[in-house]
Amino acid sequence: DAGVIQSPRHEVTEMGQEVTLRCKPISGHDYLFWYRQTMMRGLELLIYFNNNVPIDDSGMPEDRFSAKMPNASFSTLKIQPSEPRDSAVYFCASSLGGRDTEAFFGQGTRLTVV
Amino acid sequence: AQTVTQSQPEMSVQEAETVTLSCTYDTSENNYYLFWYKQPPSRQMILVIRQEAYKQQNATENRFSVNFQKAAKSFSLKISDSQLGDTAMYFCAFMNWGSQGNLIFGKGTKLSVKP
Repeated sequence: DAGVIQSPRHEVTEMGQEVTLRCKPISGHDYLFWYRQTMMRGLELLIYFNNNVPIDDSGMPEDRFSAKMPNASFSTLKIQPSEPRDSAVYFCASSLGGRDTEAFFGQGTRLTVV
Repeated sequence: AQTVTQSQPEMSVQEAETVTLSCTYDTSENNYYLFWYKQPPSRQMILVIRQEAYKQQNATENRFSVNFQKAAKSFSLKISDSQLGDTAMYFCAFMNWGSQGNLIFGKGTKLSVKP
């Protein structure tokens, strides 16, 4: 398996534009997580899914953020409209669940909103 | 709520020497996991080592070992025979039993290995 795949690796957009980040989890993993990494706040969980169903979205900062998982092999994190304070690295991770709970991370998307 | 604290923002060590990174956490749970992740400049988050709270024996992975003190809620990482490739950010992380991969991270320690 190629691991967790995120796209794009880098995204630069203007304030007010819509941004969509994409993630393909490891095949067979039941859990998918979106994290955000900033210098000020470190790594924070935004939302996670179990079997394509959102379980906890309490970390989503505001209504401008939304996440979907239409099937087991694809998830999106959308920001609309984007703001400069959304600039960060966004990670997607997946795990099997159960006793084997290691989370595998993608390489992240560095988002810059100017 | 659980919290993870890494009190050393930056550390440096000479190549081939040993270095210990500190981590403390706060939880009222009895069953949980603890992890150390490495993040090199490539940005990839790499799992270094993990410890199940119910195990008394400290985890070891080659040059990496932990000192897990459950009563003190302490989880330090020891890197022996440091190599230049160990230069990275290191994050301590906590996960409740049954959280299925929901990690709570510390702020990280930037480790520089000097030749």
